[in-house]
Amino acid sequence: LAKTTQPISMDSYEGQEVNITCSHNNIATNDYITWYQQFPSQGPRFIIQGYKTKVTNEVASLFIPADRKSSTLSLPRVSLSDTAVYYCLVGDSGTGGFKTIFGAGTRLFVKA
Amino acid sequence: GAVVSQHPSWVICKSGTSVKIECRSLDFQATTMFWYRQFPKQSLMLMATSNEGSKATYEQGVEKDKFLINHASLTLSTLTVTSAHPEDSSFYICSARESVGDMNSPLHFGNGTRLTVT
Repeated sequence: LAKTTQPISMDSYEGQEVNITCSHNNIATNDYITWYQQFPSQGPRFIIQGYKTKVTNEVASLFIPADRKSSTLSLPRVSLSDTAVYYCLVGDSGTGGFKTIFGAGTRLFVKA
Repeated sequence: GAVVSQHPSWVICKSGTSVKIECRSLDFQATTMFWYRQFPKQSLMLMATSNEGSKATYEQGVEKDKFLINHASLTLSTLTVTSAHPEDSSFYICSARESVGDMNSPLHFGNGTRLTVT
């Protein structure tokens, strides 16, 4: 099973760049890396996805080194509303067919 | 973008009764949907994979007779918590993948259902 490891929590201040790193040593060749954001009492929301190198969209960037054993989600100039839990997921082709397993996630707290 | 709608958003029921939660893909067809459960301050735990037109696949430790899943159409999956007990109180979330056959396409999540069993 592809398993992910992230810091349990991080603190930041408004306006700073936040980088959250995720380890996925057993990532399979065909697996993509996907990051989700979850606010309290809501379902997770897709942020960004990548396979290798760098991906950027309007809210974040994702950096993936050549060995793909880790990835870093970069949030530029965070605001208070970015306080949430961030999950890093990789594909998981288990015996029951492809399914998505969530790790513990990183609880980001942005302070004024 | 793809939207997954979950209903109800919250429900309170008495111990011993059953509760049905609906998950709909509003603008796409989903042959597979996933059901998760989340306790406070914890991550999402996959309960089962709902397959349109066939039986659901349950994760180890999840009682299939207690958590009945029906996926009768390409846009609707339901989770019924039967004979609910207070320990079943949790946040239930469904998700679906927009692109059929692309196992790496992102999941779209419903907004969850807060179940409280008294």
